[in-house]
Amino acid sequence: DAGVTQSPTHLIKTRGQQVTLRCSPISGHKSVSWYQQVLGQGPQFIFQYYEKEERGRGNFPDRFSARQFPNYSSELNVNALLLGDSALYLCASSRVRDGTNYGYTFGSGTRLTVV
Amino acid sequence: AQKVTQAQTEISVVEKEDVTLDCVYETRDTTYYLFWYKQPPSGELVFLIRRNSFDEQNEISGRYSWNFQKSTSSFNFTITASQVVDSAVYFCALRSLRLEYIFGTGTRLKVLA
Repeated sequence: DAGVTQSPTHLIKTRGQQVTLRCSPISGHKSVSWYQQVLGQGPQFIFQYYEKEERGRGNFPDRFSARQFPNYSSELNVNALLLGDSALYLCASSRVRDGTNYGYTFGSGTRLTVV
Repeated sequence: AQKVTQAQTEISVVEKEDVTLDCVYETRDTTYYLFWYKQPPSGELVFLIRRNSFDEQNEISGRYSWNFQKSTSSFNFTITASQVVDSAVYFCALRSLRLEYIFGTGTRLKVLA
């Protein structure tokens, strides 16, 4: 079975531009979460989606948005990019049954560089 | 507030040495989960273990073992007879009833041949 897949793997953007990152969860996983990992730090929570609805949001500005599609894949959008948005963006999916989250499986991430 | 502290930024050991990675957490929740993940240079976070707050039994999996002590809010990870392939960044994480993970800042482990 395929794991969590993210695209693209690497991306270079210019300040002020917009970027869309994509994530396909493991088959059968209906919950997708996004994390930002700045170099030398642990991942920071951005969003969680379950059944196409936003279930949680971290302390990130409104420039960050996301959505989940009927097939449970997800996109993370970042507008008006800043140099500080340069990071590894990790997507994680999890199986949820009866309200219990069975833990995340992470993808390999998209490394975004803003110049 | 919830917090995970990994005080060791970087550890270097010689192959076959034992090494312990420390993790201290803070939470007011009575139900929570603790995790360890390994992050090799490829970037993917590899799941190693999950413990819930009601199970303080230590666990051993091959060369890996974990010591969970609620009294000191610690969840330490020991690698016995380390190998070069163990070189990576290791993250401890906490999740309570909220679904997001709180990660520590990670410990970079270098195992030298």
